[in-house]
Amino acid sequence: GAGVSQSPRYKVTKRGQDVALRCDPISGHVSLYWYRQALGQGPEFLTYFNYEAQQDKSGLPNDRFSAERPEGSISTLTIQRTEQRDSAMYRCASSLGSQGEAFFGQGTRLTVV
Amino acid sequence: GIQVEQSPPDLILQEGANSTLRCNFSDSVNNLQWFHQNPWGQLINLFYIPSGTKQNGRLSATTVATERYSLLYISSSQTTDSGVYFCAVSGGSYIPTFGRGTSLIVHP
Repeated sequence: GAGVSQSPRYKVTKRGQDVALRCDPISGHVSLYWYRQALGQGPEFLTYFNYEAQQDKSGLPNDRFSAERPEGSISTLTIQRTEQRDSAMYRCASSLGSQGEAFFGQGTRLTVV
Repeated sequence: GIQVEQSPPDLILQEGANSTLRCNFSDSVNNLQWFHQNPWGQLINLFYIPSGTKQNGRLSATTVATERYSLLYISSSQTTDSGVYFCAVSGGSYIPTFGRGTSLIVHP
């Protein structure tokens, strides 16, 4: 596709369930980033990949959060045993290279009830 | 990591007015972007401007990397300019770090 695609757009889940959020970057983009944005705040970094290698995961809040990009294209962010505090907008971005212009998808709005 | 401060935090304008938004950062950067988050939550790319000046219609931006700031100018503002404007910078880590944004409301 022409832009970064995220799915689902909206996800409501019960506390304790696992969720998987998908990001399909712009074709050919090497770098892929995950961010989390709470209401009224700026996006906060979670993790990023170059190709299939996870370069930095220092922003993942705890070990319930994990991400993968096994073939260097589509990425999945997984949250295990969701808690209400995980409710937020989860955003994915991709760029041609590490120093390139980043383009964001429309985000996944996660609500944990 | 790099600290990013945006000002003002909130701005209310009458349609047709001009405004300047500021982004200060704490360290050398190799990448700086301005985004507009529209009322539907989409992050729209405005400028990729690690240094220098760029213009796109009623919007322009200037980054003075040696003095660690960037400015976004909005001229003849329209109601569709409403939303939150974010500055994001990256340095040696290559990870874009966002400021808290400037929330802009343009009244007709």
